[in-house]
Amino acid sequence: GQQVMQIPQYQHVQEGEDFTTYCNSSTTLSNIQWYKQRPGGHPVFLIQLVKSGEVKKQKRLTFQFGEAKKNSSLHITATQTTDVGTYFCADNSNYQLIWGAGTKLIIKP
Amino acid sequence: EAGVAQSPRYKIIEKRQSVAFWCNPISGHATLYWYQQILGQGPKLLIQFQNNGVVDDSQLPKDRFSAERLKGVDSTLKIQPAKLEDSAVYLCASSQEQGWDTEAFFGQGTRLTVV
Repeated sequence: GQQVMQIPQYQHVQEGEDFTTYCNSSTTLSNIQWYKQRPGGHPVFLIQLVKSGEVKKQKRLTFQFGEAKKNSSLHITATQTTDVGTYFCADNSNYQLIWGAGTKLIIKP
Repeated sequence: EAGVAQSPRYKIIEKRQSVAFWCNPISGHATLYWYQQILGQGPKLLIQFQNNGVVDDSQLPKDRFSAERLKGVDSTLKIQPAKLEDSAVYLCASSQEQGWDTEAFFGQGTRLTVV
């Protein structure tokens, strides 16, 4: 079946550095959703990308959908401690969500 | 708007015992999901309901897990008998309807520890 892969599994950054997580699929993605899960919390919806090549911004977060709709990325500029958590992508395909394993953002002390 | 309600928040049971979780979705949401999230992993879909019908239960271990949503509103997930590997957070989520533009809203989850 379809698999959605996310890399890296973990990323350690100094506060103020940038962070990027990538979401890839061997098959064409339908619509990509991004969620954030704080430590001990539950996933919270951030955004959905629908169109090939689409770019959306939310303050310091930039979301991109690849031209071939086989990948997506989330980039955070100048990370802050409030950004700590795990970021998941999920393909909204055939009325079901196929989840990646997530990328954990860790801020170095 | 009230969110997705789940209970209990925490549960500790011995292996081979049974346990049940309850979920009340956001009012008017037709689609309800149960996910299992093992520590350090992404959510794994156990079952998806559309109203009171099952859309997908392909990853539900049916020999021990069962779920129902009899009136198309709240739902229960049961494990009987529990195994050590069932220790996880069980997340319930709901969305307005099946569709390409719907987001899922999650409850706080039930953290199950099987000892």
